[in-house]
Amino acid sequence: DIQMTQSPSSLSASVGDRVTITCRASQGISNYLAWYQQKPGKVPKLLIYAASTLQSGVPSRFSGSGSGTDFTLTISSLQPEDVATYYCQKYNSAPPFTFGPGTKVDIK
Amino acid sequence: EVQLVQSGAEVKKPGESLKISCKGSGYSFTSYWIGWVRQMPGKGLEWMGIIYPGDSDTRYSPSFQGQVTISADKSISTAYLQWSSLKASDTAMYYCARLPLGVYGDYSGYFDYWGQGTLVTVSS
Repeated sequence: DIQMTQSPSSLSASVGDRVTITCRASQGISNYLAWYQQKPGKVPKLLIYAASTLQSGVPSRFSGSGSGTDFTLTISSLQPEDVATYYCQKYNSAPPFTFGPGTKVDIK
Repeated sequence: EVQLVQSGAEVKKPGESLKISCKGSGYSFTSYWIGWVRQMPGKGLEWMGIIYPGDSDTRYSPSFQGQVTISADKSISTAYLQWSSLKASDTAMYYCARLPLGVYGDYSGYFDYWGQGTLVTVSS
């Protein structure tokens, strides 16, 4: 099975900072990667699919990039409401469509 | 409006059986795959399996194969997740979520709409 890793596991940044989260697949997955945001005590929410396509209604400060094995989620200007854990998910080929371990984002 | 509404929280004892539900509305329930995701307390998201309500075609993660059963009743637009004998380690929040249609009409493997979650607590 393809394994997903994320780095860092947690980060603390100031409001307005540019934040980058990395997701790595153990094998190439083309652009079959999604990103989710889960705020504390809330349901996960789809942010990005196909590595870089923003889901409808998601603020434009979120962006995704990458292909193959290395992917990034960028928040261009961190806002207080962005405090959450962010998960990547691969969905190439056949199931299981594994999630990454998550990156917790806090405000400094 | 697409909605997935899950059944309420459950408290069970080890060894008991359980079936939780996820009712879809606002879209053609039989045309979209539905999946289940586990989140143990303080932990990350785990992909459990998916089902196509149109014909009940089901795919499981190897980690959950044989541990749970995923089913659906298309007549009432409801998917289910069930256990025959619960363990304390099944204590978790369980989410159902919809997979959007793929380019070829099958599915894209990510989840676009999520249910509110069902908390399952297993304790003696």
